[in-house]
Amino acid sequence: DAGVIQSPRHEVTEMGQEVTLRCKPISGHDYLFWYRQTMMRGLELLIYFNNNVPIDDSGMPEDRFSAKMPNASFSTLKIQPSEPRDSAVYFCASSLGQTIGNQPQHFGDGTRLSIL
Amino acid sequence: TQLLEQSPQFLSIQEGENLTVYCNSSSVFSSLQWYRQEPGEGPVLLVTVVTGGEVKKLKRLTFQFGDARKDSSLHITAAQPGDTGLYLCAGVLVGAGNNRKLIWGLGTSLAVNP
Repeated sequence: DAGVIQSPRHEVTEMGQEVTLRCKPISGHDYLFWYRQTMMRGLELLIYFNNNVPIDDSGMPEDRFSAKMPNASFSTLKIQPSEPRDSAVYFCASSLGQTIGNQPQHFGDGTRLSIL
Repeated sequence: TQLLEQSPQFLSIQEGENLTVYCNSSSVFSSLQWYRQEPGEGPVLLVTVVTGGEVKKLKRLTFQFGDARKDSSLHITAAQPGDTGLYLCAGVLVGAGNNRKLIWGLGTSLAVNP
């Protein structure tokens, strides 16, 4: 079975550019999560969706970040304009279940983002 | 301030040794999950513990949830190089209105040397 698919795997761009990260969750999963991972802060939840609806975006750092889930099989995380401090590994995860924590979160392999 | 403290942060041991890593908090969790993450990949769930005092075993890995559901430990017996990775704990906090949030620790980076 296909797992969570993220693209691109690596992205290097100059500051000020727009960055779009993409995620395809596991079919049938009704939760989708976007995380950012750095050495200093570990894994941080940015936003999560339930049935394509954003539920909690309190982890989104600032207005430069936005996320959408137009349908059950696709989500994007956009940074505009990008800054060097946005450099991190961004993970998408999906899970099945009515409540958080009762089911495993299945992670993609991440997008390693470097802003120069 | 981290809600979930993991210790040690780094651990380097020889193959065959035993080890324990810890996940501590002052908050009470409704459940707690342990994940392992290998370089270049996302975390993968190892186990979920739900009941205070619960012990779960996964081959050479033993997971324990504290009686008060504020802490957890992971013990590995006879570690092997394949156990190398970042071990993350994540606890579920239930807030007002049954709002549930998964809180992550920073992880313990384990290196098992042949």
